[in-house]
Amino acid sequence: DVKVTQSSRYLVKRTGEKVFLECVQDMDHENMFWYRQDPGLGLRLIYFSYDVKMKEKGDIPEGYSVSREKKERFSLILESASTNQTSMYLCASSPGQDSNQPQHFGDGTRLSIL
Amino acid sequence: AQSVTQLGSHVSVSEGALVLLRCNYSSSVPPYLFWYVQYPNQGLQLLLKYTSAATLVKGINGFEAEFKKSETSFHLTKPSAHMSDAAEYFCAVSEKGSYIPTFGRGTSLIVHP
Repeated sequence: DVKVTQSSRYLVKRTGEKVFLECVQDMDHENMFWYRQDPGLGLRLIYFSYDVKMKEKGDIPEGYSVSREKKERFSLILESASTNQTSMYLCASSPGQDSNQPQHFGDGTRLSIL
Repeated sequence: AQSVTQLGSHVSVSEGALVLLRCNYSSSVPPYLFWYVQYPNQGLQLLLKYTSAATLVKGINGFEAEFKKSETSFHLTKPSAHMSDAAEYFCAVSEKGSYIPTFGRGTSLIVHP
């Protein structure tokens, strides 16, 4: 079965820390995505990647960066964490360039910045 | 740009009652349409998708959705709600040629005993 694994379910960090969120998929998917989910705002796309070492900004990239050194792994980096980055973070993957393919999601990381 | 509207951030039904969750999209060209469900403390999982075959699409857990081009709608229904259906539901749209979907803001389904 398809699997997207996020390294942490819950994470607590302090303001100013550099934070790494890791995501691994076992489906050999080309595309990987990072979203944040906030009440009333739905899912907002932070960054996505369509190939190894390729990355594109989504709708809200400010304060974030990403890394994709291997096809199966996509990391989200908060360069200097701030309290307004407290949120649920969801990783997703999808195959190829077909727009009729659904995304597969991890269980999310609930991040709290104190 | 594509937009997706889910009417009602919260929908409350009694167990056994009809579930209707609304989704409208803005594209002038029929896109690909998806419904996802998110149970508490979990990620999203696919309920069903429309990819230009039959306009009535059946999904998991007894849900179905009907694509209506004239109304640019893709409403999700279930004849009889179960307590286990309580969750957040998201409608998503992908334009043909783009693998990046646009999500609605979600509708929280509350099921009363």
